[in-house]
Formats: sequence, C-alpha cells, structure tokens
Amino acid sequence: QKEVEQDPGPLSVPEGAIVSLNCTYSNSAFQYFMWYRQYSRKGPELLMYTYSSGNKEDGRFTAQVDKSSKYISLFIRDSQPSDSATYLCAMSVMVGGNQFYFGTGTSLTVIP
Amino acid sequence: KAGVTQTPRYLIKTRGQQVTLSCSPISGHRSVSWYQQTPGQGLQFLFEYFSETQRNKGNFPGRFSGRQFSNSRSEMNVSTLELGDSALYLCASSLAGMANEKLFFGSGTQLSVL
Repeated sequence: QKEVEQDPGPLSVPEGAIVSLNCTYSNSAFQYFMWYRQYSRKGPELLMYTYSSGNKEDGRFTAQVDKSSKYISLFIRDSQPSDSATYLCAMSVMVGGNQFYFGTGTSLTVIP
Repeated sequence: KAGVTQTPRYLIKTRGQQVTLSCSPISGHRSVSWYQQTPGQGLQFLFEYFSETQRNKGNFPGRFSGRQFSNSRSEMNVSTLELGDSALYLCASSLAGMANEKLFFGSGTQLSVL
C-alpha cells in the first residue's frame, strides 16, 4: 500500500464549477500537508500549505486536513480554464530534512 | 531571482549506459532534493543534499547516486540504465531543507532509455 493515495482522474468540469480533489494517507506521523499544481512540461509549484489539522483559504482555493480520518482535500471555487493542470498532494513528517511523500496526481480540465 | 535550473531538458540513452543530470538551485538555497516522476508511481523521493552531505535517501537502488558542490549545485548520476529508469527527474531546492519549507521545483530532465 502506498503511503499516499490519490485518485488520478482525469477530472473534467465546466468553467465556474467547484472542484474537489482528495488524498488519503496511512502514516499518522505526517504533520505538513501541501498541494502542488503542475502544468504540462513544468515542475510542480506550491499552491497551499497546511500544518496539522484544519482549514486554510487562499482566494479561490481552500485546503482541508482531517488527521483523524487521514484525509486531505483541496477545493477550487469558480474554476477557470487556467486551472487545468495536474494537482498533487504532498505530505511530510516533522524531522530534519524535507522528504516529501507525493500522491500520483489528479489531472483536471476546466472546459470554457 | 532565477529559479531552479535543470540541464539538460531531454536525454535519450540506451540500456547499460550511465547519465548525469545537473541542478542549479535558487541562489541562497542550501538544500537540494531529487525526485523521479512516472505516470504510474507519481513523484518518488530519491535523495536530499544539504551543505554537500546526503541527509535523506529514498528507496532506490545504489545505481542512483548524487552529490552536492560547495556552491549548492547538485548532480545526480544513474549507472547501468534500465528501461524502467525512463522518467522525468525533478530537482527541488529550499532554504534549509526543513519539513515546513516551500520546495521550488525545476522543469525537470526527461530521460528516455531505449
């Protein structure tokens, strides 16, 4: 079993829709949770970062962490064609060094 | 400030050969990590270097190795290439390599092994 599981999609939604992306994990030691966005032929770029449980909002993006269920989510409101990309969840434990565990990514297409 | 630079962008090699990939981190960043990205496995951690020392290592065979120079630039080497090594190799840098730091990724080196 992989430490981080993510539905690969693909996910296709109309412009303006609310998008929900999710990951589950097995390692209860994970403390830092991130969402990265990766455009085609580019490296991932950090979208959201959350420490421990709770919600964090940044513009149209909301990240949620439920450590009791080992489940994290990213919500995108009023989705735009420019949001079309692969979204990767990532997590890390609180030790020296930054070894991150990534999901396989969910491919999202927002149709104009 | 210039981003993370990886060279070359594309490489084609044959089985049995070896390859060296290069990564220049953002100026001032002392931690460099390497990841392998494939469609089936996603991003998998290879290793992390900080101040010229390997600090963490993932579950990859010894054919995968790396090093970091005093200017924080890093190289990754894969010897005796196998078909399964075909992947996008991503380098990421951060200031001090802590778990709560933002990783900045390069655009990667696409390696094809024939």
